[in-house]
Amino acid sequence: NAGVTQTPKFRVLKTGQSMTLLCAQDMNHEYMYWYRQDPGMGLRLIHYSVGEGTTAKGEVPDGYNVSRLKKQNFLLGLESAAPSQTSVYFCASSYGQGGMSNQPQHFGDGTRLSIL
Amino acid sequence: RKEVEQDPGPFNVPEGATVAFNCTYSNSASQSFFWYRQDCRKEPKLLMSVYSSGNEDGRFTAQLNRASQYISLLIRDSKLSDSATYLCVVNMYDTGGFKTIFGAGTRLFVKA
Repeated sequence: NAGVTQTPKFRVLKTGQSMTLLCAQDMNHEYMYWYRQDPGMGLRLIHYSVGEGTTAKGEVPDGYNVSRLKKQNFLLGLESAAPSQTSVYFCASSYGQGGMSNQPQHFGDGTRLSIL
Repeated sequence: RKEVEQDPGPFNVPEGATVAFNCTYSNSASQSFFWYRQDCRKEPKLLMSVYSSGNEDGRFTAQLNRASQYISLLIRDSKLSDSATYLCVVNMYDTGGFKTIFGAGTRLFVKA
């Protein structure tokens, strides 16, 4: 039972490079989320999706793009990486419907990204 | 004021001690509440949901006080393995719609 799987686990980029983080879930969850976590701060929502083909901005969306072409996958893209995007990125998913989710979120084990 | 606030700690307690954390939230329209546990360099994992009437899961007890807008987590008979950061999570509605807010976490160290 994989749950939520993130790839890659680690990555080092140079400023200006682009990359895509992949999140896959096998729990048939409608909702998926991308967060970043920085030292001393709580998880901050970057983008989220309430279903296949739909995405929405979270608290800190600038510099990131997302796509949800398939229900089980949620991709996070960095078009032109900046040192300020050095962080740990977590993907999560949850049950939800009708624009709300009172259900707990289940997390992947994170991607550690360093931008030099 | 942050929407969800926690004492960052750290709380240093001996094995067997009872320890309690509080988490305050600012939005009275908050809908649901959870406690997560996060180990160093790991992902957050759901510890327990928090129900209006309070709920218990083994050594862990969660309480909700809507009047004062806080939730609490009580850990009895602390184990070394309880050492972690405990995150408070609140689902709420505001002008922007439905959202989930994570507290920054409370660090707990349990020592032999």
